[in-house]
Amino acid sequence: DIQMTQSPSSLSASVGDRVTITCRASQSISSYLNWYQQKPGKAPKLLIYAASSLQSGVPSRFSGSGSGTDFTLTISSLQPEDFATYYCQQSYSTPFHFGPGTKVDIK
Amino acid sequence: QVTLKESGPVLVKPTETLTLTCTVSGFSLSNARMGVSWIRQPPGKALEWLAHIFSNDEKSYSTSLKSRLTISKDTSKSQVVLTMTNMDPVDTATYYCARTPAYPLHFDYWGQGTLVTVSS
Repeated sequence: DIQMTQSPSSLSASVGDRVTITCRASQSISSYLNWYQQKPGKAPKLLIYAASSLQSGVPSRFSGSGSGTDFTLTISSLQPEDFATYYCQQSYSTPFHFGPGTKVDIK
Repeated sequence: QVTLKESGPVLVKPTETLTLTCTVSGFSLSNARMGVSWIRQPPGKALEWLAHIFSNDEKSYSTSLKSRLTISKDTSKSQVVLTMTNMDPVDTATYYCARTPAYPLHFDYWGQGTLVTVSS
């Protein structure tokens, strides 16, 4: 199985901050990496697929990059509605493991 | 408008079999390169992918749960069914179904989720 790790596990930031979350795969997954946002009590929402493709309707302040084993999700200017938990997920091979999540809260 | 909705029991007893149904609308389960996945999330914990099924009936399962899971679909009813045998309290979780485009694979639409509690 391909294991996923994320760092940090949590962070505190202010509105307007640039935020970067890192995801690492235990082996190369090319660009088969997706990012999701989840708010408490809600289903996850797809933000980025295939490492850098922005899902329709997602604000352009979200961006993804990386390939191989190392990936990043960047929020260019954090907005109040962005406080949530973020998960990466590999889709290179089954089982399609998710990362443990990164919780972004208000500083 | 794409929607998915999970249904099933809210409470099951240990050792029982769980059967969950995902009813979809806005797309067809016969669409080429389209599937449905099941994902769960124990309270306060991370997401865990369980299984998927595609339009060509290709299926795949979580390595650790493979012996307990069965996924199937009824295209005429627009439903995907997941069964999990021998339920245990550690299986208490919110269970989600999600639409799964195959190439590249991702989960683009999710159901609201259904909380299943395993307790005697």
